[in-house]
This record gives sequence, C-alpha cells and structure tokens, in this order.
Amino acid sequence: TQLLEQSPQFLSIQEGENLTVYCNSSSVFSSLQWYRQEPGEGPVLLVTVVTGGEVKKLKRLTFQFGDARKDSSLHITAAQPGDTGLYLCAGVDNYGQNFVFGPGTRLSVLP
Amino acid sequence: NAGVTQTPKFQVLKTGQSMTLQCAQDMNHNSMYWYRQDPGMGLRLIYYSASEGTTDKGEVPNGYNVSRLNKREFSLRLESAAPSQTSVYFCASSEALSLLSYEQYFGPGTRLTVT
Repeated sequence: TQLLEQSPQFLSIQEGENLTVYCNSSSVFSSLQWYRQEPGEGPVLLVTVVTGGEVKKLKRLTFQFGDARKDSSLHITAAQPGDTGLYLCAGVDNYGQNFVFGPGTRLSVLP
Repeated sequence: NAGVTQTPKFQVLKTGQSMTLQCAQDMNHNSMYWYRQDPGMGLRLIYYSASEGTTDKGEVPNGYNVSRLNKREFSLRLESAAPSQTSVYFCASSEALSLLSYEQYFGPGTRLTVT
C-alpha cells in the first residue's frame, strides 16, 4: 500500500510569516499534486509537479518535487488569512487511475 | 458550467438502510472517482471508473457498489449502511493534461451520518 505522510499536522501562524509544509512517501509516484480544501467544500487543485527536482511558483506559493520523486514541499511566503485551509498532497500513479492522498496539514493564518 | 455536482448534500441513515449517492459532471471527462474523507485520514479512494462501462476497486471498497451510468454520471450505493460508513463522500472527475499530468475536479461533498 502506498502511503503519504504530511507534516506538520496543524500549523497556526500570524499574517506575514513564512511557512513550509512537507509531504513524504516511501513510494515513487509518476507525479504529485497539492490541493487546498476549505470547510464544507471539495479540494481544489493548486499544482501538479512531474519531474524530479522540479520547482513551481504560484504567486506566494512555491512547490518543490524531490529529486527521487518521493517527497514534496510547499512554501508560503508572507502568509495571509486567505491562505487558511487544509493542504493535501496526492501522489498520482497508474496514469491517473490512482490518486493517493496524504492526511493533510491544517493551516490557520491569524490576522 | 456546473463542474461536478453531488446529491444529496446531507443524509442521515439508520443502520441497515440503503441509499445511493448521485454524482454528475459536465466537463466530458472520462475518469470519475468516489472518495471518503474522515478526520485525520485524508481522502481514501473507494472506487474509480476510467471510462464509461468500467469500474475498479480503490483502497476501501467494502460495503459499497458503484454504477457508471453513462459518461456524465457515477453513483455510489450503500446497500446496508453501518456506523463505520459515517463520513464525507466526495465525487471527482479528471482529465489528462499530458501523460503524467492529471487535473482532478471535486464536487462539494455529501455528509453522511449513520446512526
């Protein structure tokens, strides 16, 4: 069974601070995705990383895929209250027929 | 363009009752999925359908059945509900942006409580 671990499980920070959350696995995935989920809603895809060592930037969010394609990180610069939510990573395998989700990091950004 | 829709949004069942969760997508995607989300466990795949007419078991299929009625609709049935099936259920569909890149879209979820 493929498993993804995420750390930290919970994170509460002040507006303006920087943070990094991590996603780790013992398995290799063909690609890895990050989602954000707000209460009462379904997850929304933020980014897909495909190549080992790849770095993608989405405004204040920076995503990195590990060289061995087993781990990933999400760095947020100058966090804002609108960044509050549950951040999920998902490993994609079997040509999109299997998505394995981590348990998530619940982020709270206080004004 | 509604994306992925799910009905109902909330449901309370007694142990042993049956029900069907409905899901429809209007994005012409081939692949559709059913997940359950429990606190601290992320999303777990129940069943998926790679194309119309095909379904495959995911990580936690026991106690569930699915039907891919057509390309748009993918339903999840609980034949005899159990308290362990209390959860939030999400339907999703996906399209391949490339051989390795897939974009998955989720519905708003169905919150099910089994007493």
